[in-house]
Amino acid sequence: DGGITQSPKYLFRKEGQNVTLSCEQNLNHDAMYWYRQDPGQGLRLIYYSQIVNDFQKGDIAEGYSVSREKKESFPLTVTSAQKNPTAFYLCASSIHRDTTYEQYFGPGTRLTVT
Amino acid sequence: QQPVQSPQAVILREGEDAVINCSSSKALYSVHWYRQKHGEAPVFLMILLKGGEQKGHEKISASFNEKKQQSSLYLTASQLSYSGTYFCGTENDFGNEKLTFGTGTRLTIIP
Repeated sequence: DGGITQSPKYLFRKEGQNVTLSCEQNLNHDAMYWYRQDPGQGLRLIYYSQIVNDFQKGDIAEGYSVSREKKESFPLTVTSAQKNPTAFYLCASSIHRDTTYEQYFGPGTRLTVT
Repeated sequence: QQPVQSPQAVILREGEDAVINCSSSKALYSVHWYRQKHGEAPVFLMILLKGGEQKGHEKISASFNEKKQQSSLYLTASQLSYSGTYFCGTENDFGNEKLTFGTGTRLTIIP
């Protein structure tokens, strides 16, 4: 079955530690995205990548880093510089459809930092 | 800038209709609609492109008025399974494959 996997589903870390969230897709999609969602809020874009070895900052990139060494993988590192890291993190990938694209989401990772 | 969704929340009885609006202050190329159940990932519903296209998906349809930079999602004869938070994601006029999401509309359907 094709899809987007994120692991782990729940992650707990101590303040001051870096943590890496995994995102893998086997849909052969070119573009991948990372969003952050806070309770009762919409999705805010952290980083996105339209092609391997290239990525762009989204609206809230500070305190985060990414890499895109393989088409299937787009890991997100939440660094100790991120002041409020506790949130629900969603990875997505997209495929072109005619003149637009469709974006699909993974199941998410809920990160709690204490 | 983030699109504005209205209403923020709505409660309906099963079988009633609902309209959710999404407005942007910027020119739009497309509007994407998603539904999210609590604690789960958003699920793609449909995309609307410039041209005032109206789309349907079972009893859920949507329209896009590019002049008003506004899209509306219509849910008719609502079912319990329609409960969740609905988000619109807007793509600006440059078609850069980057969505900006609204803050969502929470829809609760009661029996």
